Amino acid sequence: EAGVVQSPRYKIIEKKQPVAFWCNPISGHNTLYWYLQNLGQGPELLIRYENEEAVDDSQLPKDRFSAERLKGVDSTLKIQPAELGDSAVYLCASSTGLGFEQYFGPGTRLTVT
Amino acid sequence: AQSVTQPDIHITVSEGASLELRCNYSYGATPYLFWYVQSPGQGLQLLLKYFSGDTLVQGIKGFEAEFKRSQSSFNLRKPSVHWSDAAEYFCAVGQTSYDKVIFGPGTSLSVIP
Repeated sequence: EAGVVQSPRYKIIEKKQPVAFWCNPISGHNTLYWYLQNLGQGPELLIRYENEEAVDDSQLPKDRFSAERLKGVDSTLKIQPAELGDSAVYLCASSTGLGFEQYFGPGTRLTVT
Repeated sequence: AQSVTQPDIHITVSEGASLELRCNYSYGATPYLFWYVQSPGQGLQLLLKYFSGDTLVQGIKGFEAEFKRSQSSFNLRKPSVHWSDAAEYFCAVGQTSYDKVIFGPGTSLSVIP
């Protein structure tokens, strides 16, 4: 069974530029999560989807961050414009539903210069 | 509010030696507790979990953890460490099963031959 796929794995951009991250969850997993992991810290939830509906986006900085999950499968997280402080690893995870084990992707490491 | 502390930022052990990683949590009710491992360039993998019942839980890769309510702790142990155990370890607490999970800052484990 294929795991959670994320791309790109690494991204370097200049500040004020836009950037997008893509996540393909495990087949059949209805719940999808985006996490932010700063260096030396644990992951922090940004947004959670149940199918195509964002059910918890309270930690998503909506002034510059946006996310979508069209058709309830793949998801895209976007930052526009990026700031130096956005340099981090962005993790995607999926599960069969709320309250079930989350499976994590390898993450996208973003560097903003 | 929930919180998780991992007092040791970095630990170095010799291969074959025993290991104990400390985790303390703050949560008013009975918590759901987890240990995850993150190898370089990879996503988080669940090692073990405690939901209820026996306070000593067994996980994958020979790891175990003990829930001590009186000490608000959930320490991870392994009797004999292998070089492949070198990774970042995260303790986490959840309000409801796998949802609303708060991760600790992590402990980086180095293994010397």
